[in-house]
Amino acid sequence: DQQVKQNSPSLSVQEGRISILNCDYTNSMFDYFLWYKKYPAEGPTFLISISSIKDKNEDGRFTVFLNKSAKHLSLHIVPSQPGDSAVYFCAAHDTGSARQLTFGSGTQLTVLP
Amino acid sequence: DSGVTQTPKHLITATGQRVTLRCSPRSGDLSVYWYQQSLDQGLQFLIQYYNGEERAKGNILERFSAQQFPDLHSELNLSSLELGDSALYFCASSPQEREGTGELFFGEGSRLTVL
Repeated sequence: DQQVKQNSPSLSVQEGRISILNCDYTNSMFDYFLWYKKYPAEGPTFLISISSIKDKNEDGRFTVFLNKSAKHLSLHIVPSQPGDSAVYFCAAHDTGSARQLTFGSGTQLTVLP
Repeated sequence: DSGVTQTPKHLITATGQRVTLRCSPRSGDLSVYWYQQSLDQGLQFLIQYYNGEERAKGNILERFSAQQFPDLHSELNLSSLELGDSALYFCASSPQEREGTGELFFGEGSRLTVL
């Protein structure tokens, strides 16, 4: 039972354009949503998060949107740069009973120069 | 560099064997988390320790065990290894002020190959 789903295994975008990565979840108890970025041969790195009480959080070129009614979140990267090429993992956190992060399977973003 | 140190980086062993993976959290972090990433999969939560005590348990097999020592480093023991245990094993820690938010610092991982 996948509680966090990233349905697009890969995405290619031209440099300077917008990258939109999507994520869906099923568990209504999740109270934090996060995006992690992972380069080859490295561990995941925290990128940005959003609390379930908000619908948008922005940090520089990165913006995360949360639509609780649709149980959907997205990460927007504007403008995309070649250095953004990495695997992006969506993750959700349940502070209550589970106390753990549940990860999606990841989306490989390739930004073409 | 996240500040989380994992050893070994690579490990090749045979089925039925036992291995130990080691993790040192960032200085000052009390929590240690273990995650498993199999091929083309997301990270699966195994177990969390906080200041030496087990705090949360995920889908960790009975053949696997972990502990956190007084100096806060942690070890993940994998026994009776099977081919399907081949994976990347990540350790992570979190700063106390960010506990409960899901913000973790990950090590570079230990790649285990079972032949």
